[in-house]
Amino acid sequence: QKEVEQDPGPLSVPEGAIVSLNCTYSNSAFQYFMWYRQYSRKGPELLMYTYSSGNKEDGRFTAQVDKSSKYISLFIRDSQPSDSATYLCAMSAGRDDKIIFGKGTRLHILP
Amino acid sequence: GAGVSQSPSNKVTEKGKDVELRCDPISGHTALYWYRQSLGQGLEFLIYFQGNSAPDKSGLPSDRFSAERTGGSVSTLTIQRTQQEDSAVYLCASSLGSGSANEQFFGPGTRLTVL
Repeated sequence: QKEVEQDPGPLSVPEGAIVSLNCTYSNSAFQYFMWYRQYSRKGPELLMYTYSSGNKEDGRFTAQVDKSSKYISLFIRDSQPSDSATYLCAMSAGRDDKIIFGKGTRLHILP
Repeated sequence: GAGVSQSPSNKVTEKGKDVELRCDPISGHTALYWYRQSLGQGLEFLIYFQGNSAPDKSGLPSDRFSAERTGGSVSTLTIQRTQQEDSAVYLCASSLGSGSANEQFFGPGTRLTVL
């Protein structure tokens, strides 16, 4: 079993819909969780950063961590065509530890 | 300010040839990472430099791969005797320090195609 599992998609949703992106992981030591967004032909950029369990909201984006289930989610409200990108989850056990990335989910928001 | 830059943006080479990929990190960033991204494979860690410490080479897939970082700044990833399975996008990232506490800033990548 890979340390981090993420459905590659593609996921296509109509503009304005709520998007849910998810990752599961196997290492219970992971405490730091990130979501990166990667546009086509660009490098990934950090979107959300959370520590331990709970929710974190930033504008239309909400990151949710459930450590008991080893499951993290990214929700996008009022999705826009400009949200079309690949979203990668990432996590690490400690602040100085290597970051492990998921394979990424390709998201298409249809106008 | 300027972000992470990588060159070339695209490289096409023949099987068996050597290639060098360059990364210019953000000025002042002490940590530098190389990743490989293949279709459907996500980001694969290759090597990590932090200041003057010995690099973490644990992700290099074979001894054909090597990297150096001169003067704590520019880094070069070298692939010797390239194989078709080396075709991928090679991404470089830099950060102020190590680990998840410091945001990694990625360059646009070098798209390598081995014929």
